[in-house]
Amino acid sequence: GQQVMQIPQYQHVQEGEDFTTYCNSSTTLSNIQWYKQRPGGHPVFLIQLVKSGEVKKQKRLTFQFGEAKKNSSLHITATQTTDVGTYFCAGYNAGGTSYGKLTFGQGTILTVHP
Amino acid sequence: GAGVSQSPSNKVTEKGKDVELRCDPISGHTALYWYRQSLGQGLEFLIYFQGNSAPDKSGLPSDRFSAERTGGSVSTLTIQRTQQEDSAVYLCASSLVWGEGQPQHFGDGTRLSIL
Repeated sequence: GQQVMQIPQYQHVQEGEDFTTYCNSSTTLSNIQWYKQRPGGHPVFLIQLVKSGEVKKQKRLTFQFGEAKKNSSLHITATQTTDVGTYFCAGYNAGGTSYGKLTFGQGTILTVHP
Repeated sequence: GAGVSQSPSNKVTEKGKDVELRCDPISGHTALYWYRQSLGQGLEFLIYFQGNSAPDKSGLPSDRFSAERTGGSVSTLTIQRTQQEDSAVYLCASSLVWGEGQPQHFGDGTRLSIL
């Protein structure tokens, strides 16, 4: 079945450093979503990417969807302590029998040292 | 309500007991989803509802798991004869409609511990 792999599993940065998490799917995705889960909280929707090669920005966050629609990345510029949490990518498989099923990556846990 | 509500927030029970977890989605949301999150892991998809219908139950881990939704609103996830490996956080999410591209809104989850 579809697998979504995310790396790294953990990332520790000093405040002000940049951070990137990568997401790779075993199958072509129709679209991909990103979620953030604060410690002790629940996942919160950040953004969705649909088009091949799409790039979207939210303040210090930049999201990319690969040309083949099998990978994606989230880049945070100049991290702040408020960025702490687990970042998940989640994708919908293009075609097949899994329509409507969102498959989550295992997440990247980000810690930021002040 | 303003968000997805789940109850109980915590549940501790003995192995072999049955448990029932409840999810109250955002008012007006027709799609509802159940996930399981083990410590430090991603979200494992269990089942989704489109209205009261669950077209695909293949994500449920075993036949001890069942879910229903009535009135297009509240859903319950039932685990019979609980096992220690069932210990996890069970998250419920809802979206306005079912289909790809819909942001999912999550509740705070039920933390289930099987002794």
